[in-house]
Amino acid sequence: EPEVTQTPSHQVTQMGQEVILRCVPISNHLYFYWYRQILGQKVEFLVSFYNNEISEKSEIFDDQFSVERPDGSNFTLKIRSTKLEDSAMYFCASSVLGGDGEQFFGPGTRLTVL
Amino acid sequence: GESVGLHLPTLSVQEGDNSIINCAYSNSASDYFIWYKQESGKGPQFIIDIRSNMDKRQGQRVTVLLNKTVKHLSLQIAATQPGDSAVYFCAENLQKNGQNFVFGPGTRLSVLP
Repeated sequence: EPEVTQTPSHQVTQMGQEVILRCVPISNHLYFYWYRQILGQKVEFLVSFYNNEISEKSEIFDDQFSVERPDGSNFTLKIRSTKLEDSAMYFCASSVLGGDGEQFFGPGTRLTVL
Repeated sequence: GESVGLHLPTLSVQEGDNSIINCAYSNSASDYFIWYKQESGKGPQFIIDIRSNMDKRQGQRVTVLLNKTVKHLSLQIAATQPGDSAVYFCAENLQKNGQNFVFGPGTRLSVLP
């Protein structure tokens, strides 16, 4: 069964460093998403991506964040200068349809900023 | 701002009993809702969804009820099994056909043998 994969499973970085979180969405899906979940808190939408551009983003997704689909399979989230409060689980998801379409989530990358 | 919330942070049920997990939402304009299951160490998993033009939808062992009058959503799990133990949370789509979902904080369901 196709699934969304994410690498690495755990990323440790120093405050101020840049990190890139990687995701491989399900191959025939057209919409891609990033969410984050701070430990013990609820899942928060960051950004959605369709047709090689951002379609929606939340207030969390500020200038420190960027997304890219560098090739036909990968979808990345870059945090330019990490802060302590960026420590969280980051989930990638993909869907065939936007809006009301079922989203399939990856296992997440745990980002720890020291 | 408006947000999705849950009434019960934890719920323990006996194996074989039915479970009911509740969610209150405050945005009357939300038109699409999803229930997710999240097992430890895994990403959220879609369970069932419902649009605002419906008040009930059934899946395999799960039923979602939507009461727009009181802005309440519930997830019913029939014959709860040990594998149902997880955190369940609802999410609402604030904008028709949008992708920005607001998630509730979650309810932990524990199934007792």
